[in-house]
Amino acid sequence: AQSVAQPEDQVNVAEGNPLTVKCTYSVSGNPYLFWYVQYPNRGLQFLLKYITGDNLVKGSYGFEAEFNKSQTSFHLKKPSALVSDSALYFCAVRDPAGNNRKLIWGLGTSLGVNP
Amino acid sequence: DTEVTQTPKHLVMGMTNKKSLKCEQHMGHRAMYWYKQKAKKPPELMFVYSYEKLSINESVPSRFSPECPNSSLLNLHLHALQPEDSALYLCASSQDGPDSYSGNTIYFGEGSWLTVV
Repeated sequence: AQSVAQPEDQVNVAEGNPLTVKCTYSVSGNPYLFWYVQYPNRGLQFLLKYITGDNLVKGSYGFEAEFNKSQTSFHLKKPSALVSDSALYFCAVRDPAGNNRKLIWGLGTSLGVNP
Repeated sequence: DTEVTQTPKHLVMGMTNKKSLKCEQHMGHRAMYWYKQKAKKPPELMFVYSYEKLSINESVPSRFSPECPNSSLLNLHLHALQPEDSALYLCASSQDGPDSYSGNTIYFGEGSWLTVV
């Protein structure tokens, strides 16, 4: 069965420092992987996705993520964090070849960036 | 800014009321979704419409009734809700539905905050 894990409920970084939000997945085939961000009292915003091709994916607001097939990971990164990056981040996976092709969500990681 | 528009932004309703949530997208997408989200939790899929037909119902109680009048509009009719139904209701759309093999992105609206009293 497909699944996705975000091992950290909360990540705190200082403004200007690099940030990483971790995501690992389990699917039977080649995954489609997504990152979304949710700012307080807002809807979900799409950040980036990996479907195929280059393992390093660049997205909105300076975020990027690297698909690592051997480690089954898709960690979200940003070289220099901003206070405005403080939000809830969700990783999601879809197995296009599986019986269940719906989007499966991680539990979310709350990112706090301190000034 | 999202191109999925939801109204109303906030709704307070009694347990005997009938109300509706509305959603509109102008991206030409053929799949539309309703999700329910509790605070600090991931969204939970409720319904999917693909090409204006209901393709997925995640065993949602009948007090929630979806409707897709056309490919751009999606409604969620609410009747006899319970306080535990209070949540953020998110509408979303994508080019194709979950049955496709494509990696289409699901785009979300800002949501409707529902409080049942």
